[in-house]
Amino acid sequence: GENVEQHPSTLSVQEGDSAVIKCTYSDSASNYFPWYKQELGKGPQLIIDIRSNVGEKKDQRIAVTLNKTAKHFSLHITETQPEDSAVYFCAASIKQAGTALIFGKGTTLSVSS
Amino acid sequence: GAGVSQTPSNKVTEKGKYVELRCDPISGHTALYWYRQSLGQGPEFLIYFQGTGAADDSGLPNDRFFAVRPEGSVSTLKIQRTERGDSAVYLCASSLSHSTDTQYFGPGTRLTVL
Repeated sequence: GENVEQHPSTLSVQEGDSAVIKCTYSDSASNYFPWYKQELGKGPQLIIDIRSNVGEKKDQRIAVTLNKTAKHFSLHITETQPEDSAVYFCAASIKQAGTALIFGKGTTLSVSS
Repeated sequence: GAGVSQTPSNKVTEKGKYVELRCDPISGHTALYWYRQSLGQGPEFLIYFQGTGAADDSGLPNDRFFAVRPEGSVSTLKIQRTERGDSAVYLCASSLSHSTDTQYFGPGTRLTVL
């Protein structure tokens, strides 16, 4: 079945710096790749997603890139702010209908001011 | 608008007891998912409903776990003979339809089995 690897597990940056989180997936049939942000004691919140027919997507300070050939995708956060501090999860769908998500183990991002 | 809600937010029970966890999806969402999140891990898929029927229950760890969605809206996850290893945060998510990818998560129920 699908397997999603996520790196790094922890990431510390200074406010204003950029942060990059990388994920790889194993199932070439995966076609949907969302990123979630989870704050302590809360459920995951979708921040951006990308489908396999697109190579890059941007939303203000957040961007995601997808390389289908290499089966990896990345989250880029620019001009980081302390409120960006949270755990970030990448995920991949294993079915054409985009049902069950397979998640990475998460990256704890700390932004210090 | 209202998001996915889950009750209770916390549940403490003793080993061997039965528990029920409830999920109220976003109004109008026909697809509903249950995930389990252990400490320091990403959510792991348990079961997926499209309407009233369980379309995929391949993630349920064993037959002590069961879920229902009798009217195609609210869902209940039921765990029999709880074990300490069942302790985790149980997350519910919903999406507009089975063909719509975006899943919106609730805040979760933290289950602790003593």
